[in-house]
Amino acid sequence: EAGVAQSPRYKIIEKRQSVAFWCNPISGHATLYWYQQILGQGPKLLIQFQNNGVVDDSQLPKDRFSAERLKGVDSTLKIQPAKLEDSAVYLCASSPTGSIQYFGAGTRLSVL
Amino acid sequence: AQSVTQPDIHITVSEGASLELRCNYSYGATPYLFWYVQSPGQGLQLLLKYFSGDTLVQGIKGFEAEFKRSQSSFNLRKPSVHWSDAAEYFCAVGEYGNKLVFGAGTILRVKS
Repeated sequence: EAGVAQSPRYKIIEKRQSVAFWCNPISGHATLYWYQQILGQGPKLLIQFQNNGVVDDSQLPKDRFSAERLKGVDSTLKIQPAKLEDSAVYLCASSPTGSIQYFGAGTRLSVL
Repeated sequence: AQSVTQPDIHITVSEGASLELRCNYSYGATPYLFWYVQSPGQGLQLLLKYFSGDTLVQGIKGFEAEFKRSQSSFNLRKPSVHWSDAAEYFCAVGEYGNKLVFGAGTILRVKS
């Protein structure tokens, strides 16, 4: 079966610009997660969706980050405006039952 | 709050030697425990998981891990390391249906 797809793989932007990332989960997976992985650290959950509803967004910086999952399938994560400290890899994961999470290859964001 | 400690940032082993990566967790109830591996530029791949039952779990690529409740540990082991095992390894703790909390990772280098 196809894995979790993410695009773009790399993005370079100037600070204060906007950026969006896209994730297509494994078919049939109801739960979708976005993680932020800063260099030298483990991934940290930003937001969790169950179908198209938000389960947990307690760690999402809502003044600049937003995410949506329309129709309970694809998801987009947006940063507006970006700061230098947003430089990281953004990982999307999906899960059929909530137990095992399958990760995409990630989007590496560099904010200059 | 859940937390995961991976005490070793870097480990170097010779090809063919045995490997043990340490992981300690803090969690109030019986945890779900995971080990993931991340190669450069790639997403996270699940090596193995512990939910309940036998405390010695087998994973892919010849890896195993042992859950020790008394020590709050879930160390990863492999009897003979191959050069292709060089990567970063993450231990994670979670509860069913919810977010994973990751350790900071251990970078494994394999010398020939």
